[in-house]
Amino acid sequence: EAGVTQFPSHSVIEKGQTVTLRCDPISGHDNLYWYRRVMGKEIKFLLHFVKESKQDESGMPNNRFLAERTGGTYSTLKVQPAELEDSGVYFCASSPITDTQYFGPGTRLTVL
Amino acid sequence: GQSLEQPSEVTAVEGAIVQINCTYQTSGFYGLSWYQQHDGGAPTFLSYNALDGLEETGRFSSFLSRSDSYGYLLLQELQMKDSASYFCAVKTGRRALTFGSGTRLQVQP
Repeated sequence: EAGVTQFPSHSVIEKGQTVTLRCDPISGHDNLYWYRRVMGKEIKFLLHFVKESKQDESGMPNNRFLAERTGGTYSTLKVQPAELEDSGVYFCASSPITDTQYFGPGTRLTVL
Repeated sequence: GQSLEQPSEVTAVEGAIVQINCTYQTSGFYGLSWYQQHDGGAPTFLSYNALDGLEETGRFSSFLSRSDSYGYLLLQELQMKDSASYFCAVKTGRRALTFGSGTRLQVQP
């Protein structure tokens, strides 16, 4: 069974540009989460989808971040415009109805 | 607010036993998870405790005391490949995980 995949693995952009991160969850997992780890700090929750609906987006830092999950399969996280403090590793995780969350390898975002 | 405390670094030798503690203060608690992350890799699920007591999975065990807001991960018969960062994470409401800042384990020969 394929795990959670994320694309790209690395992204380097300039301040003010737009970046879109993609996450493909494990097939059949209704729950999809986005997290990020900034500058060696703890991994912080961003938002949670159940199928295509946003269940909890309390962790989204501001309105420059937009997450979508059209069709309830893959999800995208767009940062527009990117700022320096957005640099970090963005993780996606998915879970079935149980509590175990399976993480993807992350996208390392560098904003210059 | 939510906070989890765990040691930043632990060093041990091959074959030894190491315990990584985690204390938490969260609004809402459903369970305590442990994840392992090698440099540049994805956090990998190790264990989940919803009830008090010890859960054993091979060389790894995890313990939870809800009354003390405390848990630990116990790694036995340490191997070099166990060198990684270990995160405790609390499941609060709505299935989100709140992570600790991670403990970097160095296993030495």
